[in-house]
Amino acid sequence: QQQVKQSPQSLIVQKGGISIINCAYENTAFDYFPWYQQFPGKGPALLIAIRPDVSEKKEGRFTISFNKSAKQFSLHIMDSQPGDSATYFCAASKGGGTSYGKLTFGQGTILTVHP
Amino acid sequence: DAGVIQSPRHEVTEMGQEVTLRCKPISGHDYLFWYRQTMMRGLELLIYFNNNVPIDDSGMPEDRFSAKMPNASFSTLKIQPSEPRDSAVYFCASRLQGANTGELFFGEGSRLTVL
Repeated sequence: QQQVKQSPQSLIVQKGGISIINCAYENTAFDYFPWYQQFPGKGPALLIAIRPDVSEKKEGRFTISFNKSAKQFSLHIMDSQPGDSATYFCAASKGGGTSYGKLTFGQGTILTVHP
Repeated sequence: DAGVIQSPRHEVTEMGQEVTLRCKPISGHDYLFWYRQTMMRGLELLIYFNNNVPIDDSGMPEDRFSAKMPNASFSTLKIQPSEPRDSAVYFCASRLQGANTGELFFGEGSRLTVL
C-alpha cells in the first residue's frame, strides 16, 4: 500500500515536444504529491507539487494532472528543452504532523530531450 | 544561503570496514532525513528525525546501520561492518516544520562503494 509506481522508466523527446510521465498510487491516505527533478551528481530538488483538492496545477512549462478516483497523477512538460534532461521522480506522502516529509518515491524516469 | 552539506562526497572502502557519513542540515530546519538511492531500489527512506529525535527508523535495513543526531546542526549515518550490497548514494535532506510546501531540501549525496 506504500508503493508509488512510475512509468516510463526512460523517455526520449525532441526539443519542443511534450514529455509525459505517469504515476499511480495505492494508499488512499496519501494527500501530498510532489515531483522532484534530479541532475547527475546532484540531489533531487522539488519541481512542483499538488494536493488532491485540485485536479491540475501549472507552473510555467510544468503541469501536474491529478485523478483522485483513478489514484493517478502525471507530469507534463510542455515545450521540452535539452536543459530538462534529468531524472524525474514522483512521490507521495500523508501530509501533516510528523509524516509530512516521509515521502514514498516512484522508481524515476530518465528524460532525454534531443536538440 | 548554504544548503544541506554532506561529507564525504565519495567513499571507497573494503568490506568489513566502518563507514561514517555526515550531514549538516539547513540552519533552522527541524526535520532531517536519510535516504539511500540505488538503481534497483530507487530512493528509499532509511530514517528521519524531528528536533534531533528519531521518529521512524523502519527503513534502516539491519543492525549494521545506525544514525544519530546529537544536535540540530549535525547528523551521522554509520555502517559497521560495511558490505558490498551497501554500495549506493546516500542522501541527507532537511525540512522546516510548518512549511506550507512540505519541500525537502536534499544534499548532493555521498557515493559509497564497498569493495
